[in-house]
Amino acid sequence: NAGVTQTPKFQVLKTGQSMTLQCAQDMNHNSMYWYRQDPGMGLRLIYYSASEGTTDKGEVPNGYNVSRLNKREFSLRLESAAPSQTSVYFCASSEGLGDSYEQYFGPGTRLTVT
Amino acid sequence: AQSVTQLGSHVSVSEGALVLLRCNYSSSVPPYLFWYVQYPNQGLQLLLKYTSAATLVKGINGFEAEFKKSETSFHLTKPSAHMSDAAEYFCAVSDTGGFKTIFGAGTRLFVKA
Repeated sequence: NAGVTQTPKFQVLKTGQSMTLQCAQDMNHNSMYWYRQDPGMGLRLIYYSASEGTTDKGEVPNGYNVSRLNKREFSLRLESAAPSQTSVYFCASSEGLGDSYEQYFGPGTRLTVT
Repeated sequence: AQSVTQLGSHVSVSEGALVLLRCNYSSSVPPYLFWYVQYPNQGLQLLLKYTSAATLVKGINGFEAEFKKSETSFHLTKPSAHMSDAAEYFCAVSDTGGFKTIFGAGTRLFVKA
């Protein structure tokens, strides 16, 4: 099992450009998440999808959109990138059932917006 | 609203010494509590979790944590540090729905030879 995979690993954008971060999991998990990690601030939830066909805002959704394409894939789109979106982005998944709320993380995408 | 406070952004210990990383939480409902570890340039990995089955939780790599409701704490310990334990550690709390997990700011552990 590959677990959670993310593409790309690195990306540099100019202000105003758009891009989509891709995430896929092969663990048959119901729930998927997008976080951003900034120094000294831990991880902050951008959006999550509790199950296929649903998405909800997290703590910092402004400037982002998401699509739960199917049970395996959950993408994050930046429509008009801003320097404040420079960060490391992590995708995660969890079973989302019973007591199984622990999350499994991808390796991250390091995004720089100039 | 839930919140997590990790005391100390950096902790330094000698190899073989006790590791103690502190975490305090606030939650209006019985929480799920987690410790994750992040090695450089990697994603987070689960170390252990508390889901009300037992107050002392054992995790991977010799780590354990004790849930103390009266102190709203979930401190992480390891009796003897190893060089390979050097990483960043995150405490996290989740409500009973489980979807909105709040992470602490993280504590970077340094292990000196």
